[in-house]
Amino acid sequence: GQQLNQSPQSMFIQEGEDVSMNCTSSSIFNTWLWYKQDPGEGPVLLIALYKAGELTSNGRLTAQFGITRKDSFLNISASIPSDVGIYFCAGLNAGGTSYGKLTFGQGTILTVHP
Amino acid sequence: EPEVTQTPSHQVTQMGQEVILRCVPISNHLYFYWYRQILGQKVEFLVSFYNNEISEKSEIFDDQFSVERPDGSNFTLKIRSTKLEDSAMYFCASRNRGRDNQPQHFGDGTRLSIL
Repeated sequence: GQQLNQSPQSMFIQEGEDVSMNCTSSSIFNTWLWYKQDPGEGPVLLIALYKAGELTSNGRLTAQFGITRKDSFLNISASIPSDVGIYFCAGLNAGGTSYGKLTFGQGTILTVHP
Repeated sequence: EPEVTQTPSHQVTQMGQEVILRCVPISNHLYFYWYRQILGQKVEFLVSFYNNEISEKSEIFDDQFSVERPDGSNFTLKIRSTKLEDSAMYFCASRNRGRDNQPQHFGDGTRLSIL
């Protein structure tokens, strides 16, 4: 099956620093999504990307859909303590019979020190 | 804001017993999903469900698993004879009609512990 490699596995940063994480795939996805998961909760959608090359922002978050459609990155600017959590990339290929099966990366654990 | 709700939040079951995990998707959504997350690992797709039938299932979703939409609001995942390796967080998700890349909304999960 399709595999997503997400890096880094974990990050320890100071409040106010910028953060960057990325995902690469062995095959093409036509939609990339970034989710955040807080302890004891389900993934919450942060950003959805639908076109190769697309750059989308959501507040302090910016994500890009790679031109090759095999990668995506997420940047968080000026981190704050509530950014702590696990960030997952997910790829999806619309169409066919799966009606939107998501393939997730392994996650990036973000720790922000005040 | 409407949300996906899952019950129970934690289920402890003896190995070999049947377990049913329950989900109430967002009310006007038509596509439903179950995912699994073993502790410390990534979220994995189990099954998608539309129009009262399974549309796709992963290799994890073997004959011990089944899904059902018994009424207009609930969506259930049944594991017939649980194994130790079934211990995981199970997430239900749903999405609205439209393109397949419409965002999926996740519940907070059920933590299943098999003893």
